[in-house]
Amino acid sequence: GAVVSQHPSRVICKSGTSVKIECRSLDFQATTMFWYRQFPKQSLMLMATSNEGSKATYEQGVEKDKFLINHASLTLSTLTVTSAHPEDSSFYICSASSGQGPRNEQFFGPGTRLTVL
Amino acid sequence: QKEVEQNSGPLSVPEGAIASLNCTYSDRGSQSFFWYRQYSGKSPELIMSIYSNGDKEDGRFTAQLNKASQYVSLLIRDSQPSDSATYLCAVSPLTGGFKTIFGAGTRLFVKA
Repeated sequence: GAVVSQHPSRVICKSGTSVKIECRSLDFQATTMFWYRQFPKQSLMLMATSNEGSKATYEQGVEKDKFLINHASLTLSTLTVTSAHPEDSSFYICSASSGQGPRNEQFFGPGTRLTVL
Repeated sequence: QKEVEQNSGPLSVPEGAIASLNCTYSDRGSQSFFWYRQYSGKSPELIMSIYSNGDKEDGRFTAQLNKASQYVSLLIRDSQPSDSATYLCAVSPLTGGFKTIFGAGTRLFVKA
């Protein structure tokens, strides 16, 4: 399967600071990348879908000004959590798809565990 | 009605048995179906994809798709304790671009 990396794997920050998470597709071009959040013992929650070179599409209830997404190239998307607060502490996971028609398998990165103090 | 439904479990099976995981979906026009495995504290890992009616086998895993009944299942033969994880069913509907809809997952516990 395709390889997707995420960096950092774990981050602890103070309340009010901003945190940037990188997602890279290492061996394929990802026309579409997805950002998910998962709280302990809960299911994946899609936050936004980003296509290379265009603005991200956010799911209902996700604040686009708080969760800034940039998909500047076919191999890199970033999620910036601005002015993070303790309730933003979660497991953030990206996935990437080559978007080749309906058989669009998503490959997940290893995730970033964010803890906001 | 949820778009993709799974029994949350836990499903408990003894080592060596067959584990059967089921999933139903609401969009009749869905074209692509996936099973992901997620270990606790880790991200999901794609284990099977299926696109046409019938069975698809890969090692100990068999995915079954029945579009008329709108269900997809995953069978795990000779279950091992290392198979203990949450299994996510995912469906790509005909509409909605490339978004994939995930079920909430079924927790599987294989007893040694």
